[in-house]
Amino acid sequence: EIVLTQSPGTLSLSPGERATLSCRASQSVSSTYLAWYQQKPGQAPRLLIYAASSRATGIPDRFSGSGSGTDFTLTISRLEPEDFAVYYCQQYGSSLWTFGQGTKVEIK
Amino acid sequence: EVQLVQSGAEVKKPGESLKISCKGSGYSFPTYWIAWVRQMPGKGLEWMGIIYPGDSDTRYSPSFQGQVTISADKSISTAYLQWRSLKASDTAIYYCARRGGQGYMDVWGKGTTVTVSS
Repeated sequence: EIVLTQSPGTLSLSPGERATLSCRASQSVSSTYLAWYQQKPGQAPRLLIYAASSRATGIPDRFSGSGSGTDFTLTISRLEPEDFAVYYCQQYGSSLWTFGQGTKVEIK
Repeated sequence: EVQLVQSGAEVKKPGESLKISCKGSGYSFPTYWIAWVRQMPGKGLEWMGIIYPGDSDTRYSPSFQGQVTISADKSISTAYLQWRSLKASDTAIYYCARRGGQGYMDVWGKGTTVTVSS
């Protein structure tokens, strides 16, 4: 099983600031098979990024993904009020899909 | 519009059985895998398993193998998640999601809340 470890657990930032979220895999993941999701309270997760760096339909360009191998990053260039949420990475490169434990981005 | 509509919230007692559903519309349901994801109260996302409605090919996470049954009826564009004997620890929100492209989940249902309590 590929274990995904996200850091930090919580990120306290102000609107307009840059957010950098990390996702580290216990073994190499093809960048083709790494996704990021956003979840707001009381809502289902929403796909943000797939294949490590491709934005899903309708996702603003302030969201970007990068990385390869075991280290992946989600960057939000300038936080908008609606971006405060929990973010999960997920790998789908093995037959057993796994999620990271999540990073909460909260208002400072 | 592509969407997955899940069945309503359930309150059950330990030992009871349950089957929840996920109905797809706006796309060719048989040709996209459907995944199930658990979210326990205040916790993160856990992938449970996945089914291809076209031929009912099903894969389970080892953590959920033998604990639940995933099935689908392509004639009515519906996938199911079933328990034979619920436990209090099954209390959670259960999401279905469509697998798009290489395997990311691009369309999600709103979730079904299952509460198991005596």
